[in-house]
Amino acid sequence: QKEVEQDPGPLSVPEGAIVSLNCTYSNSAFQYFMWYRQYSRKGPELLMYTYSSGNKEDGRFTAQVDKSSKYISLFIRDSQPSDSATYLCASQAGGSQGNLIFGKGTKLSVKP
Amino acid sequence: SQTIHQWPATLVQPVGSPLSLECTVEGTSNPNLYWYRQAAGRGLQLLFYSIGIDQISSEVPQNLSASRPQDRQFILSSKKLLLSDSGFYLCAWSAGGMSDTQYFGPGTRLTVL
Repeated sequence: QKEVEQDPGPLSVPEGAIVSLNCTYSNSAFQYFMWYRQYSRKGPELLMYTYSSGNKEDGRFTAQVDKSSKYISLFIRDSQPSDSATYLCASQAGGSQGNLIFGKGTKLSVKP
Repeated sequence: SQTIHQWPATLVQPVGSPLSLECTVEGTSNPNLYWYRQAAGRGLQLLFYSIGIDQISSEVPQNLSASRPQDRQFILSSKKLLLSDSGFYLCAWSAGGMSDTQYFGPGTRLTVL
């Protein structure tokens, strides 16, 4: 079983829609959770970072972690064509260098 | 602020040729450094990571090697490339600590023919 599972999509939505991207993980020791955005042929860029359970909001983006169900979500409100990218979730247990575990990424397309 | 550079941006090499990809980080000291390969449909594969000069861990047995000759320089090498080495190579750095949040470079797209 993969430690972080992510639906690869592709996911296509109209501009202005609310987007929900999700991951599940299996390791109960994971405490740190990240979302990266990767545009085509570019390196991933850190979008959101959360510690343990709860919500974190940054503009149109909300990251949510539910440790009881081992579920990670990223919500994008009022989606824009510029949000079209691949989104990767990542998780890590504390203090474990070299052990950031990535999902395979979900490809999102926002149509104008 | 910190900046991470990778070069070259793209590379086309014949099978059996050597490889050298370079990564440098600016604006931080003693970073953790990482090499990943990203192939279509396979996600990010960690190849090597380093917590200091000459301290390199290999995650995947292969014909690639890594070196860290200076604190903020990380090099990925191969003596003889295989077709299966084609992919998008990403270097990343982190500050270490409890959360190993990683920051990625722009990547090198390698095609082995």
